[in-house]
Amino acid sequence: QSALTQPASVSGSPGQSITISCTAASSDVVSHNLISWYQQDPGKAPKVIIYDVYKRPSGISSRFSGSKSGNTASLTISGLQAEDETDYYCCSNAGGGIWVFGGGTKLTV
Amino acid sequence: QVQLQESGPGLVKPSETLSLTCSVSGDSTSGYYWSWIRQPPGKGLDWIGYIFHTGKSHSNPALNSRVTISLDTSKNQFSLNLRSVTGADTAVYYCARYYCGADDTCHYFDYWGQGILVTVSS
Repeated sequence: QSALTQPASVSGSPGQSITISCTAASSDVVSHNLISWYQQDPGKAPKVIIYDVYKRPSGISSRFSGSKSGNTASLTISGLQAEDETDYYCCSNAGGGIWVFGGGTKLTV
Repeated sequence: QVQLQESGPGLVKPSETLSLTCSVSGDSTSGYYWSWIRQPPGKGLDWIGYIFHTGKSHSNPALNSRVTISLDTSKNQFSLNLRSVTGADTAVYYCARYYCGADDTCHYFDYWGQGILVTVSS
């Protein structure tokens, strides 16, 4: 069982907003606020879309946003598009040299 | 443009050692943290470990000390050795670079290799 728990799947209609949660089993895992989110298309390497809880790398659409409350980080995708349908993973630099990934969420649009 | 490329055998026998190399082009391996991450077929991502150019390294405790990660800055590549493999180690193995700040805090993985499928089977 992963130290970061994500829903296995979420779905939404084009134009809607969805939120994917990422809940830590222990507050230690997310206390450094070094949480990132990755988008992974089938057969491809993951691509970062959010880092440090809410920051977006250059070139990432503003439709992607991140937040955190307590032990739970969240990724929100607004204005859903068909191209958003893929897998999403949260990740945390848990400190002490340890990195942890969530189990992944499949988004259906 | 930084590029990473994994190489190594695609088939390893149970109980043997899985050995992979990640070749880096477009930048030096010096001054960065480098990582191995794997993904079993149909499953999620699993962090294996990292190495810094100073030789500092750390691996996932769940792998029970079977992991060795090394770095050869002269060849601009880093390697993974995973000992005593079983079928549970069958996965696509990715190498990746960390984006870290000047304070040595690492924030995310900014560059990834394309991945290499390694199957453990007799």
